[in-house]
Amino acid sequence: AQSVAQPEDQVNVAEGNPLTVKCTYSVSGNPYLFWYVQYPNRGLQFLLKYITGDNLVKGSYGFEAEFNKSQTSFHLKKPSALVSDSALYFCAFVSGSARQLTFGSGTQLTVLP
Amino acid sequence: DAGVIQSPRHEVTEMGQEVTLRCKPISGHDYLFWYRQTMMRGLELLIYFNNNVPIDDSGMPEDRFSAKMPNASFSTLKIQPSEPRDSAVYFCASRKASGNTIYFGEGSWLTVV
Repeated sequence: AQSVAQPEDQVNVAEGNPLTVKCTYSVSGNPYLFWYVQYPNRGLQFLLKYITGDNLVKGSYGFEAEFNKSQTSFHLKKPSALVSDSALYFCAFVSGSARQLTFGSGTQLTVLP
Repeated sequence: DAGVIQSPRHEVTEMGQEVTLRCKPISGHDYLFWYRQTMMRGLELLIYFNNNVPIDDSGMPEDRFSAKMPNASFSTLKIQPSEPRDSAVYFCASRKASGNTIYFGEGSWLTVV
């Protein structure tokens, strides 16, 4: 079965340090991969997506992600973390006739002041 | 532009009562999705509509759940009768047929006591 995996339930990083939230995929063909963020008591907000083309994708709020086909990964990164980046992050892939999203289990990012 | 609008944002109800959650998708979007988020199961797709027609309801947990989309700007998810295990956050989301990005509402936070 196709899936994405987020191996870390929790990531802690100090403010100003670079952050990485990991995602690996097991998706056939050319995967469409997404990152969403969920702030406390809020809905999911789209951050960025990889469809095709450049492997480095830039998104909202200074986030970027690199599609790595050989390692089947799509890690989310930011050069300098902010306390306000603290949230729940979801990796997802598109599948099915409706191109619906299937999500990973989520990673709670905490940026410490 | 207005995003996906859901109501109510929060609802607390007693077991056995009927619950109706409402959604207004983004204007011009052809697909509407209902997702459920729980701690145990993460984000799950319940049902989706294309041009107001239900296409796949295989994610609906049981017959107590039903969803309708009487027109392009309105959908409901109904639980009757509700049970404590239905307590979750229910998200509505929508997408254009020509696009890849799914946009989510703020969610309806349901507690069944």
